[in-house]
Amino acid sequence: DAKTTQPNSMESNEEEPVHLPCNHSTISGTDYIHWYRQLPSQGPEYVIHGLTSNVNNRMASLAIAEDRKSSTLILHRATLRDAAVYYCIPDNYGQNFVFGPGTRLSVLP
Amino acid sequence: DTGVSQDPRHKITKRGQNVTFRCDPISEHNRLYWYRQTLGQGPEFLTYFQNEAQLEKSRLLSDRFSAERPKGSFSTLEIQRTEQGDSAMYLCASSLAQGGSSPLHFGNGTRLTVT
Repeated sequence: DAKTTQPNSMESNEEEPVHLPCNHSTISGTDYIHWYRQLPSQGPEYVIHGLTSNVNNRMASLAIAEDRKSSTLILHRATLRDAAVYYCIPDNYGQNFVFGPGTRLSVLP
Repeated sequence: DTGVSQDPRHKITKRGQNVTFRCDPISEHNRLYWYRQTLGQGPEFLTYFQNEAQLEKSRLLSDRFSAERPKGSFSTLEIQRTEQGDSAMYLCASSLAQGGSSPLHFGNGTRLTVT
């Protein structure tokens, strides 16, 4: 399984952009990169995923490095509701999603 | 889309008792996953099903744990002879695998406390 490295925690001010990094240097060529977030007392929530190209959806953008060894989740304007633990996960066609400890994002008003 | 539902939300049991949890996935989803999560940690993979077939089990899953998914619909996770170390949140997720990579949709979990 590909291993990921994320900062333990990050802080952002409300209404500012947030860039959450993930290193996945051992990712295979067919692994998609998924991002999930987890609010307190809830199950993880899907945010976005991609393979090679940058991806956008209503929640966030995903920027994938050209060598695919890292990616960045971008929240364009952080709100207090974005405070959560964010997980970056390589996926090989749903065989086994392995969650690491993730990044705890705090959003300051 | 009513989402993934798990029952019960909370379960308190005494050490040595058996417990069973139920997961109802999103109706058309063919894959179903079970995870366990302890405080401050990310979810830990336990097992997953494609339709009714159990395709992978974590090496961490002891023989006291068993999961089933009869007819490829709902799933149950049973823990026999519970131990205090089994106290955790048990999460279920489902996805629609059609080739490529499909997002997981999680329920809000069953919190187990073993006293």
